Amino acid sequence: GAGVSQSPRYKVAKRGQDVALRCDPISGHVSLFWYQQALGQGPEFLTYFQNEAQLDKSGLPSDRFFAERPEGSVSTLKIQRTQQEDSAVYLCASSPRVGTLNQPQHFGDGTRLSIL
Amino acid sequence: SQQGEEDPQALSIQEGENATMNCSYKTSINNLQWYRQNSGRGLVHLILIRSNEREKHSGRLRVTLDTSKKSSSLLITASRAADTASYFCALGGRDDKIIFGKGTRLHILP
Repeated sequence: GAGVSQSPRYKVAKRGQDVALRCDPISGHVSLFWYQQALGQGPEFLTYFQNEAQLDKSGLPSDRFFAERPEGSVSTLKIQRTQQEDSAVYLCASSPRVGTLNQPQHFGDGTRLSIL
Repeated sequence: SQQGEEDPQALSIQEGENATMNCSYKTSINNLQWYRQNSGRGLVHLILIRSNEREKHSGRLRVTLDTSKKSSSLLITASRAADTASYFCALGGRDDKIIFGKGTRLHILP
């Protein structure tokens, strides 16, 4: 019974390495969101997909961050040449309809990324 | 900034007491949502209140919205140990994103 699933739950990488974080949204959900959450803070928006189309990537911190959702279901967030400030929890959320107007988002448990 | 600001930042109360958290914001909104986050977990949606609504209830939760004061409150009645978590308000505007505040950390004492 499937909620939003994220993998891995924990990822440790050395500075400079590339990482890939996976999100399996609830089946049939049109909208998918990625957030970055620093310790003790609220989630910060990174990017939004409507099916396979990336409609908003205004929250991506730099061009080292790249997200895709090629078939409109599973999404991958890739971070190239990781830096220590990339250490955070990365949360994925999905919702059944387009956009955010008057609909809740369903969150996964996140991937905790630590850059050494 | 469109970010909501929760108040207080942290709250400790005895089990059985009521807990009230507030969220203030500066811009116009279409809706406001409250989420709960247990330690190490994702966020769980609690209540969504639209800009034309003033109050909503869900079980032990009561949310109010005052658009003239640009503020919302979340009341948890008869608190339980399981209510220990961080609570976030999230503002829904015209675009395809919601903006979260920094949260209130609620601790229920046995």
